[in-house]
Amino acid sequence: DTGVSQDPRHKITKRGQNVTFRCDPISEHNRLYWYRQTLGQGPEFLTYFQNEAQLEKSRLLSDRFSAERPKGSFSTLEIQRTEQGDSAMYLCASSPQGASGTGELFFGEGSRLTVL
Amino acid sequence: AQSVTQLDSQVPVFEEAPVELRCNYSSSVSVYLFWYVQYPNQGLQLLLKYLSGSTLVKGINGFEAEFNKSQTSFHLRKPSVHISDTAEYFCAVSQDDKIIFGKGTRLHILP
Repeated sequence: DTGVSQDPRHKITKRGQNVTFRCDPISEHNRLYWYRQTLGQGPEFLTYFQNEAQLEKSRLLSDRFSAERPKGSFSTLEIQRTEQGDSAMYLCASSPQGASGTGELFFGEGSRLTVL
Repeated sequence: AQSVTQLDSQVPVFEEAPVELRCNYSSSVSVYLFWYVQYPNQGLQLLLKYLSGSTLVKGINGFEAEFNKSQTSFHLRKPSVHISDTAEYFCAVSQDDKIIFGKGTRLHILP
């Protein structure tokens, strides 16, 4: 088991472009979470999936953001028409059960987005 | 809604000295509390957790935390820090099926 992997690790894009991040969770984990982390802040919850179902979306997730987990395995997070305020580290985490259980989320190393 | 407040954004401490990183939570109901650590250029990992039972919780790398319901605190402690403890530490609380994080405390180990 190689843990949670995220791709790409770094992305630099121009304002107005679309970007997509991929997350491959630990294989037996049915919960998958996306967080965003900006400088000086803790991770902020964006959305999460149980298998292929998206169960909750934060108000932080504007209409330009969309996340999918089509087969209950890997997930993608797409940002359309990027803005400079989207510059952040996007973190993916997975869990074998709800966080209210053991509470242990397994995080990837993140995808850093820079919007010029 | 649940939240946690980390009172210090940065804490400098000499190597082999004790350290305490402070965290207060806001909740009127039972909570699950956590400390996560983020080492430079690595993903976050769970340091320790409080779900129920003993209020003194031991974690990895010699860290421990004490759940104090009357003071709504969950401070993290280590009796003797090492240079390898240089990292950012996040206090967190569960809410429904999510983890809500504090803003983090950066621990600087001084030689």
